[in-house]
Amino acid sequence: DAGITQSPRHKVTETGTPVTLRCHQTENHRYMYWYRQDPGHGLRLIHYSYGVKDTDKGEVSDGYSVSRSKTEDFLLTLESATSSQTSVYFCATSSGDTDTQYFGPGTRLTVL
Amino acid sequence: AQSVTQLGSHVSVSEGALVLLRCNYSSSVPPYLFWYVQYPNQGLQLLLKYTSAATLVKGINGFEAEFKKSETSFHLTKPSAHMSDAAEYFCAVSEGAAGNKLTFGGGTRVLVKP
Repeated sequence: DAGITQSPRHKVTETGTPVTLRCHQTENHRYMYWYRQDPGHGLRLIHYSYGVKDTDKGEVSDGYSVSRSKTEDFLLTLESATSSQTSVYFCATSSGDTDTQYFGPGTRLTVL
Repeated sequence: AQSVTQLGSHVSVSEGALVLLRCNYSSSVPPYLFWYVQYPNQGLQLLLKYTSAATLVKGINGFEAEFKKSETSFHLTKPSAHMSDAAEYFCAVSEGAAGNKLTFGGGTRVLVKP
């Protein structure tokens, strides 16, 4: 399995505050993804990256931004958190040579 | 646009019985199809994937899935359920190969009764 870590693993914050979630990988995978998981919706893609400084929007990108300044790190930022962003966030990576995505352990975010 | 429908958000099976999880997809190009499993409080783990080779795909933990183009289906089966199979299962589709985006179904939670 790809070495993927996410931090923090749990976070409680208040509406209107900025939040940054970090995904770190040790596999030198080219592609990285951020998903959110909500009951009944499966996982939905927020943003993805196909290389350093190369990112694009996914299905549910409103209210989120990302940055990737080096291969191993992919940051997800909620500029001003809202209660609708309470969710479990998963990072995934892919080598680009295959079409398998490997998932991190997730971050549970609660916005009060 | 690609989409995935998983029939049944919850499935209950007896230990030793057949497990059948249904997945139908739509895609404008030949799809790549995946089944992932999620155990409580964990990330997703790949069970198996279809990438246009054999239509019957075998995965880990005794699971297999069959790609049926005419039915746009990719149902997951296991002949004999084990207590350790209790988890949530997700079907996903990709329209491209390397590094492409996945679209997931809503998931099916499996309960195994002793």
